[in-house]
Amino acid sequence: GQQVMQIPQYQHVQEGEDFTTYCNSSTTLSNIQWYKQRPGGHPVFLIQLVKSGEVKKQKRLTFQFGEAKKNSSLHITATQTTDVGTYFCAGPKENAGNMLTFGGGTRLMVKP
Amino acid sequence: DGGITQSPKYLFRKEGQNVTLSCEQNLNHDAMYWYRQDPGQGLRLIYYSQIVNDFQKGDIAEGYSVSREKKESFPLTVTSAQKNPTAFYLCASSRISNQPQHFGDGTRLSIL
Repeated sequence: GQQVMQIPQYQHVQEGEDFTTYCNSSTTLSNIQWYKQRPGGHPVFLIQLVKSGEVKKQKRLTFQFGEAKKNSSLHITATQTTDVGTYFCAGPKENAGNMLTFGGGTRLMVKP
Repeated sequence: DGGITQSPKYLFRKEGQNVTLSCEQNLNHDAMYWYRQDPGQGLRLIYYSQIVNDFQKGDIAEGYSVSREKKESFPLTVTSAQKNPTAFYLCASSRISNQPQHFGDGTRLSIL
């Protein structure tokens, strides 16, 4: 069945360092969404990518969708303590595109 | 102020008891979802409703039931058949299927 994997599972960085999380799907995705969940909170939608090779930026966050539409990445430049949380990617479920399949998430911890 | 309201925030279940988690949205969204999140894990879909009076099973529907009698409401019942119900339950909605999802604050369910 379809799998959406994220690496790494955990990442500790020093404040000011860069951070990247990778999302890989076993199937081609029509689109990919990214969410952020702060500790003890609920997921919050960040962005949706639709086109092959698409790159979108939100301040210090850069999102990419792979050419084959099977992988994506989120890069944070110069991390801050406010970036702490778990970042999830999600794509339409294979053969049930009305539902999303979430990756396992990457938990980011930032040392001040 | 539009959003999704989940209640209660914390819930304790006794052995053999059914409990119902409430989810209400005033975003005028057609699609609603229930997810289960275990500590340090991603989100797994329990049930999904695309429209009033219609719902579909997700990946882990066994031991759960839902209803969608009103557009605004999508309650989840955790039945006694669910032998390991301790988890964080998140309700979400989206304008239509496959669009970005808005999440409630969640309900933490534990067994007494």
